[in-house]
Amino acid sequence: KAGVTQTPRYLIKTRGQQVTLSCSPISGHRSVSWYQQTPGQGLQFLFEYFSETQRNKGNFPGRFSGRQFSNSRSEMNVSTLELGDSALYLCASSEDLGGAEAFFGQGTRLTVV
Amino acid sequence: QQQVKQSPQSLIVQKGGISIINCAYENTAFDYFPWYQQFPGKGPALLIAIRPDVSEKKEGRFTISFNKSAKQFSLHIMDSQPGDSATYFCAARDDKIIFGKGTRLHILP
Repeated sequence: KAGVTQTPRYLIKTRGQQVTLSCSPISGHRSVSWYQQTPGQGLQFLFEYFSETQRNKGNFPGRFSGRQFSNSRSEMNVSTLELGDSALYLCASSEDLGGAEAFFGQGTRLTVV
Repeated sequence: QQQVKQSPQSLIVQKGGISIINCAYENTAFDYFPWYQQFPGKGPALLIAIRPDVSEKKEGRFTISFNKSAKQFSLHIMDSQPGDSATYFCAARDDKIIFGKGTRLHILP
C-alpha cells in the first residue's frame, strides 16, 4: 500500500505570493489533516478534511485554506505569503475523522524569501 | 496555551541504556495518546499509542506508562540503540491530535 504522498517536496516563494500544496492520502483513508512544523512552535494543527468537508480548524489566519476532492486528495493554499510562513507543511491521513492512527507524508518544505 | 507539555527538550543516553520521555496534559477529554518518531527529512511516524483505560502498553523495546489520575504519560525505550536517535513527540487527541514540542534523543554509540 502506498503511503501518504505530498508534492512538491520543496518550494521557494516570494513574500506576497500564494502557494498550493498537494496531499494524496493512503488508499481508503478518508480523513486528511494538515500541520505546520517549525522549530519554535513544533507541530501545529491547521485543519482536517473528511468527505470533502472541513471538519476542524486550528488557530491560523484565513490566508490558510484547504479543500478535499472526491478521491480524498487534498490541497492547502496559503495566500499573501509572509516570511513567517516558512515551515515544513505536513499532511496526515487516517481512516476516520479525528486522526487516530494518522500516517504522515514527508512534508513540503516551504521557504518564503 | 500548551495543552501537552513534553520534557526534556533533548536527551543523551548511552547505548544499551533506558531513554525516558515524559508528557503531561490538562484536558480530561483526551481519549487517545500516541507517540511519534521523526527522523530528519521525514514526516513523523506513529510509534506506539495508548488509551486512558490502560496503564501500560509495551511493543518490543518501547513502553508507554500512563497515569490517568496524575494526567501524565511517558515513553520508555529499553536497550536504546544509535538507530533510535530521532525526535520523539507525544500527542493527545480530543477532536484533533495535539502534539508536544518534541524531544531530541541522541544515543551515544
